[in-house]
Amino acid sequence: NAGVTQTPKFQVLKTGQSMTLQCAQDMNHNSMYWYRQDPGMGLRLIYYSASEGTTDKGEVPNGYNVSRLNKREFSLRLESAAPSQTSVYFCASSGQVGTDTQYFGPGTRLTVL
Amino acid sequence: SQQGEEDPQALSIQEGENATMNCSYKTSINNLQWYRQNSGRGLVHLILIRSNEREKHSGRLRVTLDTSKKSSSLLITASRAADTASYFCATDPNTDKLIFGTGTRLQVFP
Repeated sequence: NAGVTQTPKFQVLKTGQSMTLQCAQDMNHNSMYWYRQDPGMGLRLIYYSASEGTTDKGEVPNGYNVSRLNKREFSLRLESAAPSQTSVYFCASSGQVGTDTQYFGPGTRLTVL
Repeated sequence: SQQGEEDPQALSIQEGENATMNCSYKTSINNLQWYRQNSGRGLVHLILIRSNEREKHSGRLRVTLDTSKKSSSLLITASRAADTASYFCATDPNTDKLIFGTGTRLQVFP
């Protein structure tokens, strides 16, 4: 099992460009999450999907959109990238939303110039 | 603001020593989890302790939880260079989301 995979691993964008970060899990988990991690800070939740067909805002959703394409895949889209979105982005999944252990992908390092 | 905050922010020790890091949180929880993050990698789950548990062990890890003080500690015994990483606590303050702390950076010198 690959667990949680993310693509791409690195990306450089110019201000105003758009891109989609891809995430897939092969653990048959119901819930998936997108976090961002900035230096000196813990993980902050951007969006999550408790189950296929549902998505909800986390702590820092502004500037992002998500799509739960199917049970395996959860994508994060930046419509018009800003330098403040320079960060490392992590996708995670868990059996159930909330208290379950979360399994993380390797991360995408995004730089917006 | 962060639900969980780790202390200290950074810790440096020699191999063989014990490492203790603490987590304080603000509201009641169902459980508390500890995760490890190696440099440039995603987080890896270490241990989960429920609100009705006071202590839990997993290999060289010992976690305690004091709900009256809203705090938890993670003890790594006989540390190794491979334990060098950042350690995060995560709580579920009666919501459907985990809230992560800011982490403790542990450096273990050979």
